[in-house]
Amino acid sequence: GAGVSQSPRYKVAKRGQDVALRCDPISGHVSLFWYQQALGQGPEFLTYFQNEAQLDKSGLPSDRFFAERPEGSVSTLKIQRTQQEDSAVYLCASSATGSNEKLFFGSGTQLSVL
Amino acid sequence: AQSVTQLDSQVPVFEEAPVELRCNYSSSVSVYLFWYVQYPNQGLQLLLKYLSGSTLVKGINGFEAEFNKSQTSFHLRKPSVHISDTAEYFCAVTRSGTYKYIFGTGTRLKVLA
Repeated sequence: GAGVSQSPRYKVAKRGQDVALRCDPISGHVSLFWYQQALGQGPEFLTYFQNEAQLDKSGLPSDRFFAERPEGSVSTLKIQRTQQEDSAVYLCASSATGSNEKLFFGSGTQLSVL
Repeated sequence: AQSVTQLDSQVPVFEEAPVELRCNYSSSVSVYLFWYVQYPNQGLQLLLKYLSGSTLVKGINGFEAEFNKSQTSFHLRKPSVHISDTAEYFCAVTRSGTYKYIFGTGTRLKVLA
């Protein structure tokens, strides 16, 4: 596709519900990142994939957060038993190689946990 | 650990006036520096980047930034802003050979008519 696509654009969940956020990176991009952006803050690193391999998940806040990229393209970020503090914009980004020289970001999924 | 400080959370400026958005970073090793812009309801878009070489970096939409190693700064400038420059601007740092970006908290630029 022309850019990084994320869905849904908005998600409202009741506390305790599970949610799944989808990211379609630019076709052929090797690297894929998930970031969390709380209100009034900059994006914070969650996890990084190179192809289908999750090389770094050090930023995931708890074991309720899980990310996968089984075929090295589309990625899903899953949050189990959502809590109010999970409310944020979740950004996906991809880059062409393993290089960190330029990231292409999606528009994000705004998650609100009530 | 690396960190990025954007001292100004909001900067109002009149149209056609110059603007400077400040960014300071902390790192003891070679860094890559970036400015990203986020328009309302859109993803972050790369404005410019410093990897090596000339310390004055020119980006899109008439923006430029200067890497100052001694002051550990990477301030963003534009000599004459337009209404369409109204957006949030994020400074970010990473290191050669790594993939993890550290972002600042952002500066909201509001251009007034």
